[in-house]
Amino acid sequence: EAQVTQNPRYLITVTGKKLTVTCSQNMNHEYMSWYRQDPGLGLRQIYYSMNVEVTDKGDVPEGYKVSRKEKRNFPLILESPSPNQTSLYFCASSSPAGLADTQYFGPGTRLTVL
Amino acid sequence: KQEVTQIPAALSVPEGENLVLNCSFTDSAIYNLQWFRQDPGKGLTSLLLIQSSQREQTSGRLNASLDKSSGRSTLYIAASQPGDSATYLCAVRGGSNYKLTFGKGTLLTVNP
Repeated sequence: EAQVTQNPRYLITVTGKKLTVTCSQNMNHEYMSWYRQDPGLGLRQIYYSMNVEVTDKGDVPEGYKVSRKEKRNFPLILESPSPNQTSLYFCASSSPAGLADTQYFGPGTRLTVL
Repeated sequence: KQEVTQIPAALSVPEGENLVLNCSFTDSAIYNLQWFRQDPGKGLTSLLLIQSSQREQTSGRLNASLDKSSGRSTLYIAASQPGDSATYLCAVRGGSNYKLTFGKGTLLTVNP
C-alpha cells in the first residue's frame, strides 16, 4: 500500500529536549516536505527536499533541521524545542511529473512542548 | 508571494444539496492546483489535481475547475452527503522551488 508514515503520532516534551520526528514513504518519490498546521494560520511549509542530499527552507524554517540521506526518509529535527513549536506536523511526498504530482500526506504528529 | 484564499470559511448545508467551494490565488504562474480533504485530527487526502493547462477534472460527485488567468478554482460537490463533512483545502504548486501554497480551508458540514 502506498503510504507516508510518521512517528511518533503524539509527543509531549519539555523545552530544550532535542527530538526527531521520522517520515518515510514507500513510493520512490523525489519530492518530500514538512508542514506545520496551526489554527488560523493554515498549513505552512517548514522545509522541503527535491531529492537525496538536496534540501531547502520553506516559509517557517527557524528552529528546525532536516536531512535527506536516503530517498525514502526525511526526518524533522528540533534541536531545542520551544513552546511556540507546539503544533500539528505533516510530512508529504510526491513525484513532480504531471498528474503524478498528487501529494501524499502522512497522518500527522501532534507535538506539545511544555 | 503566492497567496491562496478560500471562501467561504465555513458552510453548512442540508443533505442532497449541490454546493460550490471557491479558491482564488494571486500569482497565475502555477504548475497545478490541488484540492484536498481533511477530517478532524487527520491527515490530508488528495481529491483532485488540475494541471495548469487543464480546465477541469472530475471524480465521482466532485468536479474541480480552473481558470488560471483569473486566478480562480471551484470545487463542485453534487448531491452532498453527511460523509462529505470535512475541511476542504485548496493548494497551488508554483515558483522556482516548486512550492505548494495552501489556503486556510472551508469547513463543510452536511446535515442529515
